[in-house]
Amino acid sequence: AQSVTQPDIHITVSEGASLELRCNYSYGATPYLFWYVQSPGQGLQLLLKYFSGDTLVQGIKGFEAEFKRSQSSFNLRKPSVHWSDAAEYFCAVGAPYGNKLVFGAGTILRVKS
Amino acid sequence: NAGVTQTPKFRILKIGQSMTLQCTQDMNHNYMYWYRQDPGMGLKLIYYSVGAGITDKGEVPNGYNVSRSTTEDFPLRLELAAPSQTSVYLCASSYAAGGEGYTEAFFGQGTRLTVV
Repeated sequence: AQSVTQPDIHITVSEGASLELRCNYSYGATPYLFWYVQSPGQGLQLLLKYFSGDTLVQGIKGFEAEFKRSQSSFNLRKPSVHWSDAAEYFCAVGAPYGNKLVFGAGTILRVKS
Repeated sequence: NAGVTQTPKFRILKIGQSMTLQCTQDMNHNYMYWYRQDPGMGLKLIYYSVGAGITDKGEVPNGYNVSRSTTEDFPLRLELAAPSQTSVYLCASSYAAGGEGYTEAFFGQGTRLTVV
């Protein structure tokens, strides 16, 4: 069965600084990988997804993520953070067959001005 | 295009009461999921369904039941509500076809349930 670990519960960055949120997964084959964002009081919004192909994935709002099979990781990055990026970010892993979708515990991003 | 619709948005239950959370999707997705979301715990999968008539347990199924009689609907039943079931419940749907053809999960706006 697949599982997801997001090692950082909270991260604080300055506005304009770069950001990297970590995600490690456990799955025996090539997984499907996702990053979602949830702003306070809002629903979950998909930032980006990886199914196959190019391991560097571009998403919305200037985010990107890189699938590294050797490290079982799918870290989310953004070169310059904006105050509106403050939210909770969730990494999720699915399976090509069976497609049970499992989420990590989330990372809360705070942006300081 | 409504997507995934959950009702009700809010509900307060007394201990021992029962209720059904409704979820419907209009995207003809074969997969549907129920999660609970608690602060600091992320989303925990309760049950999921790979198609009408087929359901399976997730990580935290105790105290819940589901059914999937149609492609569109996936209700979640709480029997004998307990304070530990106070949470935000999220329904989602996606499409997958044997590894060829797939989408991300689309989420409803959630049901905030309080058990007192």
